[in-house]
Amino acid sequence: GAGVSQSPSNKVTEKGKDVELRCDPISGHTALYWYRQSLGQGLEFLIYFQGNSAPDKSGLPSDRFSAERTGGSVSTLTIQRTQQEDSAVYLCASSYIDRYNSPLHFGNGTRLTVT
Amino acid sequence: ELKVEQNPLFLSMQEGKNYTIYCNYSTTSDRLYWYRQDPGKSLESLFVLLSNGAVKQEGRLMASLDTKARLSTLHITAAVHDLSATYFCAVDAGQGAQKLVFGQGTRLTINP
Repeated sequence: GAGVSQSPSNKVTEKGKDVELRCDPISGHTALYWYRQSLGQGLEFLIYFQGNSAPDKSGLPSDRFSAERTGGSVSTLTIQRTQQEDSAVYLCASSYIDRYNSPLHFGNGTRLTVT
Repeated sequence: ELKVEQNPLFLSMQEGKNYTIYCNYSTTSDRLYWYRQDPGKSLESLFVLLSNGAVKQEGRLMASLDTKARLSTLHITAAVHDLSATYFCAVDAGQGAQKLVFGQGTRLTINP
């Protein structure tokens, strides 16, 4: 079946510009996560959505980062006024709700380069 | 704050040999996951370990969890080249979701 789909796969942007990254989770998965992978910081949790509950934003590194999830499905991660330290691979993952025996299914990521 | 440490970070080994990757974590958790990442690719789930003493095996890989020691191991038996990848352990911070804290990753290279 279809996996987690992310777009674009690569994004190069100038410092100070805004970017939007998209994630389409696996159908039927109600939990959606954003993680970031960078050379300096490794893999870091950013934000978590579960159904209609308020998202857990505890991992967002600054208020320039925001995310939304429409209709319980597609999610968009927005980074405003991008900085060079935002350069990383942004990974989206989804899973079934409350099933710890169900691992996260990761997308292929969006590689963001801020010049 | 939960911290997860893997060792070694780099491992080069010969085909046919056995080796173990270690994953230590700093606070109590009984949910630990192992993932594999190939270069330029995303993370692929290998094992889900949900209780003390849990042991899972798939092919030449076996993972175990000791929650009292806060230690998980990933054992590779008779390594083959296609197991070359980066392996991550991740511990659930236990806040009602899979807010995983990842180890640094172990880059495994298996030479013919």
